[in-house]
Amino acid sequence: EAQVTQNPRYLITVTGKKLTVTCSQNMNHEYMSWYRQDPGLGLRQIYYSMNVEVTDKGDVPEGYKVSRKEKRNFPLILESPCPNQTSLYFCASSPTSGGRQETQYFGPGTRLLVL
Amino acid sequence: AQSVAQPEDQVNVAEGNPLTVKCTYSVSGNPYLFWYVQYPNRGLQFLLKYITGDNLVKGSYGFEAEFNKSQTSFHLKKPSALVSDSALYFCAVRGMHTGGFKTIFGAGTRLFVKA
Repeated sequence: EAQVTQNPRYLITVTGKKLTVTCSQNMNHEYMSWYRQDPGLGLRQIYYSMNVEVTDKGDVPEGYKVSRKEKRNFPLILESPCPNQTSLYFCASSPTSGGRQETQYFGPGTRLLVL
Repeated sequence: AQSVAQPEDQVNVAEGNPLTVKCTYSVSGNPYLFWYVQYPNRGLQFLLKYITGDNLVKGSYGFEAEFNKSQTSFHLKKPSALVSDSALYFCAVRGMHTGGFKTIFGAGTRLFVKA
């Protein structure tokens, strides 16, 4: 089944404790992206990647890191989480970045609470 | 700068009536426009997109949207609403961004369809 998976789905952590949220897609998509969803603000893009070893900042990159060493994986790293990073996080992938095939497929979400 | 506005936080319609969820955008160049739907505790699902061509775009679940360049709008419509259409709807725009492509989402509009 074609899908985007994220782990963990739920996470409670404390300020300053490094964490990684994994994202994997099995559709051989070039483009991958991370978003956070907050009430009243919609989805805001954190980072995106147009292909392996190519990443760029979205609108709210502060406090986050990403890497794209393999096409299928795009982990989101919070080196020193803080309470304002409490949010619902979504990973997404798309066949391409730009063009008729572009359609983003979203993972199920990761709900993060930073105490 | 790119932006997307969904002027209504919530739209209420009766089952069987037509529905409209509004979206206006601001982007340089030719935009890619998208609608996504989010059901409770789920990730976003693609509904439809406008890349180029016919201004009326048909999508999943009987939804359609009309691209209006002069009004910079991309309103989502459905001729006859179903209770199962109740969900959170997001408009998104993809425009050129230095070094790549960035997607901007609106804040979302919650649709309630009453039986």
